[in-house]
Amino acid sequence: KNQVEQSPQSLIILEGKNCTLQCNYTVSPFSNLRWYKQDTGRGPVSLTIMTFSENTKSNGRYTATLDADTKQSSLHITASQLSDSASYICVVHNDMRFGAGTRLTVKP
Amino acid sequence: DAGVIQSPRHEVTEMGQEVTLRCKPISGHNSLFWYRQTMMRGLELLIYFNNNVPIDDSGMPEDRFSAKMPNASFSTLKIQPSEPRDSAVYFCASSYGPEQYFGPGTRLTVT
Repeated sequence: KNQVEQSPQSLIILEGKNCTLQCNYTVSPFSNLRWYKQDTGRGPVSLTIMTFSENTKSNGRYTATLDADTKQSSLHITASQLSDSASYICVVHNDMRFGAGTRLTVKP
Repeated sequence: DAGVIQSPRHEVTEMGQEVTLRCKPISGHNSLFWYRQTMMRGLELLIYFNNNVPIDDSGMPEDRFSAKMPNASFSTLKIQPSEPRDSAVYFCASSYGPEQYFGPGTRLTVT
């Protein structure tokens, strides 16, 4: 069983709308939790890195949260743009556990 | 900076052939990672090096896979013999600190 579960698998939203992606994990303890954005045909790009003790981390329109008690993280995207269309991958860094990703499509 | 450089970008080979993937990390980075990505299994860490020394190769699927880092600016991932199930995108990433920078990947197809 994968120790990092992401939901939803895919999501379609209209440009300008907000959305939230979920990551549930069972890996414990861990050094940090990361969110990556991966455009089609490219390598992943780091969005946020949070240590075990951090609750939130922002990077522009991207805000990641972490609840260590419930072992959940979320990535909130504000005012979505067409360029946000990509896969978003949650990674728990201890021994590198990757979620399967959420495929986000932003439509005009 | 050119970022992480991988070659070739695409490789098509026949089952049983040897395949060598190459990676040039970002200058000054001291850690290098090899990943494999497939639709079925997503991203998987194969091996990572720190200061040219392999630290964790537990993700290497079997003895057909080997990786080397002869110096700080070059690494190879070799598959011998290749099998159709090795078809995937192979990424190299490098870091100095927690942030990893990924290369564009090598798409390997084994027929």
